[in-house]
Amino acid sequence: KAGVTQTPRYLIKTRGQQVTLSCSPISGHRSVSWYQQTPGQGLQFLFEYFSETQRNKGNFPGRFSGRQFSNSRSEMNVSTLELGDSALYLCASSSLQGKAYEQYFGPGTRLTVT
Amino acid sequence: LAKTTQPISMDSYEGQEVNITCSHNNIATNDYITWYQQFPSQGPRFIIQGYKTKVTNEVASLFIPADRKSSTLSLPRVSLSDTAVYYCLVGPDSGYSTLTFGKGTMLLVSP
Repeated sequence: KAGVTQTPRYLIKTRGQQVTLSCSPISGHRSVSWYQQTPGQGLQFLFEYFSETQRNKGNFPGRFSGRQFSNSRSEMNVSTLELGDSALYLCASSSLQGKAYEQYFGPGTRLTVT
Repeated sequence: LAKTTQPISMDSYEGQEVNITCSHNNIATNDYITWYQQFPSQGPRFIIQGYKTKVTNEVASLFIPADRKSSTLSLPRVSLSDTAVYYCLVGPDSGYSTLTFGKGTMLLVSP
């Protein structure tokens, strides 16, 4: 089985712009979660989608949003980028039958905001 | 979710067995213990999960005492490629996929 894929792998944006990141889960996985990782805050949960519905949301401002499509692929969007949004954005998928804590992570998208 | 405490860093040499202990004093009855491994600039990788006693797979062993207030991840005969950050997570395996990561333990394996 192919693993979780994320595109693009690297991105450089300017403060005030917006960005869209994409995630394709493992085939058959219907749950997709997004995480932000920074040196200072570590790994932080952004939100989780299951069957096109957001089930959980972390403590992030409304500038961070996401969606999931009928094929389980997911996108997250960050509007009005700030310097502090520079981070590694990770997507993870898990199966309905699998354990909630057994998630499979993609390689991440490295976002740099200048 | 139960809070976890683990050492910030550990050093080892190739071929040695490494044991990383995680403390979770307020673990709940329905909580599981899960460990992830993360290499630089990569996403975390699920290693092992357990509820009580001992669990072993091809990568590691997880030892959980009867009171479940701590757990130990054991990596047999580590190699340089085991240098990574190891995270201990505790929470109910309810189907809701929200993981709360702490700071983790940075394991450095030297030749």
